[in-house]
Amino acid sequence: DAGVTQSPTHLIKTRGQQVTLRCSPKSGHDTVSWYQQALGQGPQFIFQYYEEEERQRGNFPDRFSGHQFPNYSSELNVNALLLGDSALYLCASSEGLAGRETQYFGPGTRLLVL
Amino acid sequence: DAKTTQPNSMESNEEEPVHLPCNHSTISGTDYIHWYRQLPSQGPEYVIHGLTSNVNNRMASLAIAEDRKSSTLILHRATLRDAAVYYCILTMNSGYSTLTFGKGTMLLVSP
Repeated sequence: DAGVTQSPTHLIKTRGQQVTLRCSPKSGHDTVSWYQQALGQGPQFIFQYYEEEERQRGNFPDRFSGHQFPNYSSELNVNALLLGDSALYLCASSEGLAGRETQYFGPGTRLLVL
Repeated sequence: DAKTTQPNSMESNEEEPVHLPCNHSTISGTDYIHWYRQLPSQGPEYVIHGLTSNVNNRMASLAIAEDRKSSTLILHRATLRDAAVYYCILTMNSGYSTLTFGKGTMLLVSP
C-alpha cells in the first residue's frame, strides 16, 4: 500500500514566480492537509481539504491556495514567491476531519526561492 | 488547541528505555494526545495516540497521567534510528484533525 506521495521532491524558483506542488493521499484517505516547515522549526498548518473544499485554514496569505480533486489528490499553489517561502512543504492525509484521526505525512517537497 | 510543554532535548544510550515527558495542564476532557516524530530530512511520522487509558503499539507505549495533565512516551529499547524530534500534540475530538506543532523534543541516541 503506497503511503502519501508528493512531487516534485525538490524545486528551485525565483522571487515573483508561481509554483504548484502535488500530493496523492494514502489509499482510503479522503482528507488532505498541507504544512510549511521552515528550517529548524516545526511544521505550520496551511490549509485542509475535504470533499474538494477548503475546510480549515491557518495563518497564511491568499498567495497560498489549493485544490482537491475527485480522486482526493491535492495541489498547493503559491503565487508571487518570496524568499521567505523557502521551506519544506508537507502533505498529510487522514480518514476524515475529526480530531481523533491520525495524519500520515509524505516526504515533502523542498522549495528554494532565490 | 491546548498547549503542550516538552523538554528541548534528551539523550539516551542505545538499547536503553527512553521516557519522553509532555505537560498539557490545560487539556480538556475530549482532547486526544498524539505523538509524532520527525527523523532528519523526512516528514513527520505517527507514533501513538490516546485519550484516557495507557496505549501500546509496536513502536512505543503512551502513559497518560490519571488527571490527564501530563503524558509520557516510552520507547522500550532505543535504537540509533529513534534519534528524531518528538512532538506531543493535542487535538479536539470535536474539532479538526489538523496538528499544531510546537518545538518538540530532540532525542539524541548514542551507541
